Amino acid sequence: AQSVAQPEDQVNVAEGNPLTVKCTYSVSGNPYLFWYVQYPNRGLQFLLKYITGDNLVKGSYGFEAEFNKSQTSFHLKKPSALVSDSALYFCAVRPLREYGNKLVFGAGTILRVKS
Amino acid sequence: DGGITQSPKYLFRKEGQNVTLSCEQNLNHDAMYWYRQDPGQGLRLIYYSQIVNDFQKGDIAEGYSVSREKKESFPLTVTSAQKNPTAFYLCASSRTSGSFDEQYFGPGTRLTVT
Repeated sequence: AQSVAQPEDQVNVAEGNPLTVKCTYSVSGNPYLFWYVQYPNRGLQFLLKYITGDNLVKGSYGFEAEFNKSQTSFHLKKPSALVSDSALYFCAVRPLREYGNKLVFGAGTILRVKS
Repeated sequence: DGGITQSPKYLFRKEGQNVTLSCEQNLNHDAMYWYRQDPGQGLRLIYYSQIVNDFQKGDIAEGYSVSREKKESFPLTVTSAQKNPTAFYLCASSRTSGSFDEQYFGPGTRLTVT
């Protein structure tokens, strides 16, 4: 079965410190990987994606993610957290062999950045 | 959320009533999607459409129906057959149904059925 795991329900970090939100996946073949952010009672906003090439992907708002094929991981990172980064973060995978542009989402990780 | 509108933002219905959620996009995207979001469960795909007059069931289509008569519009009907309809519903679209196109999301509709 194809799945995405976000092992931490919540991540707490102090403002100015680096942050990491973890994501691992289980799919057949090489997937396309995405990160989205959701603010309260809002839709999801696209942050970044990995398709191919460089394992370090840079995205919006200073976020980046590192694709690790051997560990089947795609962790989201930011060198210096802001209080405004506090939100719900979703990792998603697009299995290559699936028909249509369907995404499989993780359960989400709440990020809390404290000043 | 730009380019995709969902209405209404909040919707209240009595059990046993069908209800239709609106989704409109002006991004000229071919593909559109409906997701359901429940706390702690992430997003689950209800239906998706890759082209006008065509749509496919997602992972949790039972109790829901859709239509795609126009490229811009993809309404979702929550029928009385849906056992647990109270949830946050998100509509999304993507440029094509290509594998690497990111999806753009609307602001969502929170449906409460009592």
